[in-house]
Amino acid sequence: DAKTTQPPSMDCAEGRAANLPCNHSTISGNEYVYWYRQIHSQGPQYIIHGLKNNETNEMASLIITEDRKSSTLILPHATLRDTAVYYCIAGQGTGANNLFFGTGTRLTVIP
Amino acid sequence: NAGVTQTPKFRILKIGQSMTLQCTQDMNHNYMYWYRQDPGMGLKLIYYSVGAGITDKGEVPNGYNVSRSTTEDFPLRLELAAPSQTSVYFCASSKTGELFFGEGSRLTVL
Repeated sequence: DAKTTQPPSMDCAEGRAANLPCNHSTISGNEYVYWYRQIHSQGPQYIIHGLKNNETNEMASLIITEDRKSSTLILPHATLRDTAVYYCIAGQGTGANNLFFGTGTRLTVIP
Repeated sequence: NAGVTQTPKFRILKIGQSMTLQCTQDMNHNYMYWYRQDPGMGLKLIYYSVGAGITDKGEVPNGYNVSRSTTEDFPLRLELAAPSQTSVYFCASSKTGELFFGEGSRLTVL
């Protein structure tokens, strides 16, 4: 099962784009890249996921490199409410027991 | 739509006591999971279930038991509580890969 590597922390100015990187060099062909975030001690919240193509939804964009060994989550206009721990996960998703939550990236949005 | 509901939200146990953390979901999801999160750490999978009557161990199952008699409910049983089980427990469910989490149950064992 693919494991991921993320920087432990990042800062971002309010209103600017937050770009959160993730390395998943051992990802297999049928594994997706998922992003979740956890605000304070709440349950993690799903953000976005993708397999090969770049994806966008109302919360964020996901850019996956062509070799699929890394990805970037983009929050286009960060707000103070985006301050959270962001988890990048590589796994098969449905019914899987291999969604490994590491320690994530603690994003702090600065006023 | 309640989503994933966990009870209790907080509990203090004495060493050696037993208790059950309740988890119920109203989204008709087949897959359910229990995670624990220690301070400053990521989530670790305790047990999971792919459907009623089917459960399997995750990364850290020792000291816990689960059952899945219905699609909606996935209780987590702690037998002989130990201080090492002090943690925040999250239940989650999914249908197509996206996990929906409950608000968590904070357990302290003294």
